[in-house]
This record gives sequence, structure tokens and C-alpha cells, in this order.
Amino acid sequence: EAGVTQFPSHSVIEKGQTVTLRCDPISGHDNLYWYRRVMGKEIKFLLHFVKESKQDESGMPNNRFLAERTGGTYSTLKVQPAELEDSGVYFCASSQDLAASTQYFGPGTRLTVL
Amino acid sequence: KNEVEQSPQNLTAQEGEFITINCSYSVGISALHWLQQHPGGGIVSLFMLSSGKKKHGRLIATINIQEKHSSLHITASHPRDSAVYICAVEGSGGGADGLTFGKGTHLIIQP
Repeated sequence: EAGVTQFPSHSVIEKGQTVTLRCDPISGHDNLYWYRRVMGKEIKFLLHFVKESKQDESGMPNNRFLAERTGGTYSTLKVQPAELEDSGVYFCASSQDLAASTQYFGPGTRLTVL
Repeated sequence: KNEVEQSPQNLTAQEGEFITINCSYSVGISALHWLQQHPGGGIVSLFMLSSGKKKHGRLIATINIQEKHSSLHITASHPRDSAVYICAVEGSGGGADGLTFGKGTHLIIQP
């Protein structure tokens, strides 16, 4: 069974540009989570989708971040315009149901904003 | 909001030593995860615990729900165990708010 995949693995952009990160969850997993790890800090929750609906987006830092999951399959996270403090590793995870099920993490996308 | 504390933050040990990494949290949880991240790599889930103890190879994870504390042990440590170990907890709401992560323990095992 294929795991959670993320694209790209690395992205280097300049401040003010736009970047779109993609996450493909494990097939059949309704729950999809985005996390971010800024260097030297703990990984933080960004948002949670159940199918195509945003269950909780309380962790989204500001309105420069937009997440979508059209059709309830893959998800995208767009940063527009990117700022220096957006640099970090963005992780995606998926799980089958909410009842304390294991979250399977993707390899992450390392974003560097110059 | 749950507060997750890990200790130590950094640990360097010699190959073969018994390693213990601790995790404490402030609010009741439905599950606790131990995660491993190798440099430049993705996070791998090692254990998910809601009670008691789990063992996988040289890794052992224990949790004490009453004391809100979990430990990750590595027996006969090896340089390939060098990684960041992260504790993460799920809220009693069943994971709808995602995970609360600790800051990680940087483990280096020297040959």
C-alpha cells in the first residue's frame, strides 16, 4: 500500500513569491492533516480535513496560507505571498478515522524562503 | 491546550548504552505517539499508545496515564538509532484537533 506522499520534497523561493505544496494521503483515508516544523521549534498543527471539509483550521498562521482538498482526495497548501518566516518543513499526515487511529506521515516538504 | 514536555532535549551516548527519553503532558489524552525523524528524512511513527507498554525490536514505550507520563527506551543502542525522537499526544476528543507535539529529543549514538 502506498504511503502518504508530498510534492515537492524541497522548494526554494524568494520572498513575495507563491508556492503550492501538495499532499496525497493514503487511499481511503478521510482525515488529512497539515503540520509545520520551523527550525528549532516543535511541529505545529495547521489544519485538518475530513474528506473535503475543513474540520479545524485553527493552526493556520494567517491569511497568506490557503489549503484545499477538492474531491476529498489530495490536498494543496498555497502560500501567497511567501515571507521569510514561512521557511520550514511542512508535513502532511492522513488517518482512516478519528478514533485514536494512527496518523501516517508524509516525508515533508522543505520550504526555504529567501 | 495540552503542553508536551520532552527530556532531555539532547542526548549523546555510546553504542550499547540503554537510552531513556521522557515525555510528560498536562491534559488527559486519547493516545500518545512516539515519532522518529532521521536527518533530512520524514517522520516515522514508532508507537501509538493509550495504555501500558509496547515493544518493537529494541524499542520499548511505556505510558502512565495517571501520571501523564511516557518513556521511550532503546536497548543496546546503535549509531543508526541517531535521530530526533518526538512525542506527540492526541486530545481526548479523538484526534479532531490533530496532534500536539513535543520539541523532540536529539539523540546521537557514538560508535
